[in-house]
Amino acid sequence: EDKVVQSPLSLVVHEGDTVTLNCSYEVTNFRSLLWYKQEKKAPTFLFMLTSSGIEKKSGRLSSILDKKELSSILNITATQTGDSAIYLCAVEDPYYSGGGADGLTFGKGTHLIIQP
Amino acid sequence: DGGITQSPKYLFRKEGQNVTLSCEQNLNHDAMYWYRQDPGQGLRLIYYSQIVNDFQKGDIAEGYSVSREKKESFPLTVTSAQKNPTAFYLCASSKSPGQGAYRVNSPLHFGNGTRLTVT
Repeated sequence: EDKVVQSPLSLVVHEGDTVTLNCSYEVTNFRSLLWYKQEKKAPTFLFMLTSSGIEKKSGRLSSILDKKELSSILNITATQTGDSAIYLCAVEDPYYSGGGADGLTFGKGTHLIIQP
Repeated sequence: DGGITQSPKYLFRKEGQNVTLSCEQNLNHDAMYWYRQDPGQGLRLIYYSQIVNDFQKGDIAEGYSVSREKKESFPLTVTSAQKNPTAFYLCASSKSPGQGAYRVNSPLHFGNGTRLTVT
């Protein structure tokens, strides 16, 4: 069974701080790793990572994959209260039938709270 | 604007009653999914459908049923056999992922969810 573990499960920081969220995985046939942000309702897509060592960046958010360590990090610099959300990590294993058409397995998420 | 619409946002039912959650998409996506989200549990897959008139069980399908009569619609019925139905339900869709090693990656697009409370 494929596994995705996110840490920490919750994190409280002050506005302006930099945070690093972790996602580690155990899958049989890795295809991609995805990050989503869930503020109140619908998760929204942030990044899809397929190659090790190549950073993806969007504004203050960045993410990188380390296939050797079977992990990914999501960095948020100069945090703002609007960054408060649950950050979900998912890993795609196209041969894992339990994860649906894309073989996706989700982690439990990191609940990030940014205090003013 | 294209998107996924789930209704209702909040649903209250008494134990023993079946209830159907609606999910409609106008993104022309082939694949649709139902997830359940509980606090501290992440997203767990209930059912998915890659094409009209076909659907497959996910990890936690017991006590649920679905239909896919139209490409745009993928309703989920929570039956009285589901032992712990109170949860947040998310519907999602994606372009057709293809098969096996030739699957095309496509991020999921999510609806805003339905919060079901059964008492």
